[in-house]
Amino acid sequence: GQQLNQSPQSMFIQEGEDVSMNCTSSSIFNTWLWYKQDPGEGPVLLIALYKAGELTSNGRLTAQFGITRKDSFLNISASIPSDVGIYFCAGPGDTDKLIFGTGTRLQVFP
Amino acid sequence: GAGVSQSPSNKVTEKGKDVELRCDPISGHTALYWYRQSLGQGLEFLIYFQGNSAPDKSGLPSDRFSAERTGGSVSTLTIQRTQQEDSAVYLCASSSYNQPQHFGDGTRLSIL
Repeated sequence: GQQLNQSPQSMFIQEGEDVSMNCTSSSIFNTWLWYKQDPGEGPVLLIALYKAGELTSNGRLTAQFGITRKDSFLNISASIPSDVGIYFCAGPGDTDKLIFGTGTRLQVFP
Repeated sequence: GAGVSQSPSNKVTEKGKDVELRCDPISGHTALYWYRQSLGQGLEFLIYFQGNSAPDKSGLPSDRFSAERTGGSVSTLTIQRTQQEDSAVYLCASSSYNQPQHFGDGTRLSIL
């Protein structure tokens, strides 16, 4: 079946550093979504991508829909302590249900 | 409120008991999803409702798990004869057709 692989699994960075994480698929996706999950809460949608090659920003976050449609990247610039959390990529599977990546756990040190 | 609401937020119960988890989706959203998230893990799809169509139950892990969606709005996830491995966070999400999902904060289920 379709799978999403995220890397890295975890990151430990200094406040102010830039962060980059990616997500790859074994098959083509027509939509890529990036969510962030804070401890004790549900995932919150950060960015949605609908077109191959699309580059979209949301504040300090930038995400790109890979041209092959099999990957996507999320970058966070000038990280701050509240960026801590788990970042998930997701895309619609063969049916309407979303397939989620395994997550990238981000820890930011002051 | 305007978001997806789940209740209870926490549930502790003894092994073998039945539990019911409730989800109130965003008003007007036709799609509703249930996921399970074990500690430190990703989201495992359980079941999906879309309008009046038959639900996609392909993710339910056993026949002890069932879900209903009454009147196209509120949904209840029921786990019968709970086992310790059922301990997890159960997340509900809703969406308009072909739009990104919005999640509730989940129910943290602990089976003793």
